[in-house]
Amino acid sequence: GESVGLHLPTLSVQEGDNSIINCAYSNSASDYFIWYKQESGKGPQFIIDIRSNMDKRQGQRVTVLLNKTVKHLSLQIAATQPGDSAVYFCAESYSGTYKYIFGTGTRLKVLA
Amino acid sequence: GAVVSQHPSWVICKSGTSVKIECRSLDFQATTMFWYRQFPKQSLMLMATSNEGSKATYEQGVEKDKFLINHASLTLSTLTVTSAHPEDSSFYICSARDPGLAGSRETQYFGPGTRLLVL
Repeated sequence: GESVGLHLPTLSVQEGDNSIINCAYSNSASDYFIWYKQESGKGPQFIIDIRSNMDKRQGQRVTVLLNKTVKHLSLQIAATQPGDSAVYFCAESYSGTYKYIFGTGTRLKVLA
Repeated sequence: GAVVSQHPSWVICKSGTSVKIECRSLDFQATTMFWYRQFPKQSLMLMATSNEGSKATYEQGVEKDKFLINHASLTLSTLTVTSAHPEDSSFYICSARDPGLAGSRETQYFGPGTRLLVL
């Protein structure tokens, strides 16, 4: 389903620490998941994706974990930097459609 | 990676007028484009799927007569907000799917967005 939020939850982390951003998805039939980063006034930027036949995928400084049992997705950012400050969205998609359904989003603030 | 552009980047219009927003895929042909709307501090809400050469598919609750979508070529989709009202003020974002990788859903690239303010 679609997620609508009245405000964005915020995660504040110290520069250099690891960040974990969580997302609960709604459709048990979803089999493809993507994390996007959105800076103020800009379009979403692709970070990393994962298919449902995997439970973990790593990129450069980022790791995505998928728990299908509880329909939960997380994004881990190692050694968080000031440039990581943005809003992070998860998106889900399912076989037979190219549509993405976006989650509520989390604002990440990196403290110097 | 592939580039998607939008024009204009921002627009201010009077209530009752129509506004056209363009979405272009610059270095690939996009058979499918998507239009999203994003209100402040909220998520992206899918409005419609735009297919080249055919009618757009609208999400539930989106008025097709108000938000006209045209996908006349493989690199251009337009969204026209007709008879705009202040409640239509929002950030409109398009994305384009690159069919170059058959069956690959991850090849969807987002534009920079268009901010619409209706007075």
